[in-house]
Amino acid sequence: GQSLEQPSEVTAVEGAIVQINCTYQTSGFYGLSWYQQHDGGAPTFLSYNALDGLEETGRFSSFLSRSDSYGYLLLQELQMKDSASYFCAVSGHAGNNRKLIWGLGTSLAVNP
Amino acid sequence: GAGVSQSPSNKVTEKGKDVELRCDPISGHTALYWYRQSLGQGLEFLIYFQGNSAPDKSGLPSDRFSAERTGGSVSTLTIQRTQQEDSAVYLCASSRGGGELFFGEGSRLTVL
Repeated sequence: GQSLEQPSEVTAVEGAIVQINCTYQTSGFYGLSWYQQHDGGAPTFLSYNALDGLEETGRFSSFLSRSDSYGYLLLQELQMKDSASYFCAVSGHAGNNRKLIWGLGTSLAVNP
Repeated sequence: GAGVSQSPSNKVTEKGKDVELRCDPISGHTALYWYRQSLGQGLEFLIYFQGNSAPDKSGLPSDRFSAERTGGSVSTLTIQRTQQEDSAVYLCASSRGGGELFFGEGSRLTVL
């Protein structure tokens, strides 16, 4: 089957750095995406890695290792507004189509 | 508008009634997804349209659920004979076919 695993909850303090890991087992692989969702809101796209290595976008970075079927989202200089759920998703195969397979999400709580 | 538009934003219905939820994707996006999300839970895949290919309906929970996409653009998700367990937020997303999905704000369905 196809699955993604990520921690269900992470807690950190303002100003700290937190890493959210994602391991995947999918049929085919095109890339790994990360999404942020605040309570009551819609998921919003954060990053996409198709190749191995680190992609940096401001305070957020995302890493991919295809050989290890593993990636992570790194959040630096945490702010209270970063408290949200973070989902990893893999673009894999579904028949002849690409399909996004989702993890169950990691709830990040940033405390003062 | 430039984003994904969903309607209605809120729908309260009685058990046994049919409901239709509408999604207007971003113009030019070939892929369209429907997801369901219950409070505090992850995204439950329902159905995926990609261009002119046959839709991936593997996530539809029962034959009471159906969806269509007309002219490769607007999509309608129909739930017949609604049940209380159908209560959730129904999210629509569109993309160019890669890993970056753009989500609508969702339709919150409450079945009494």
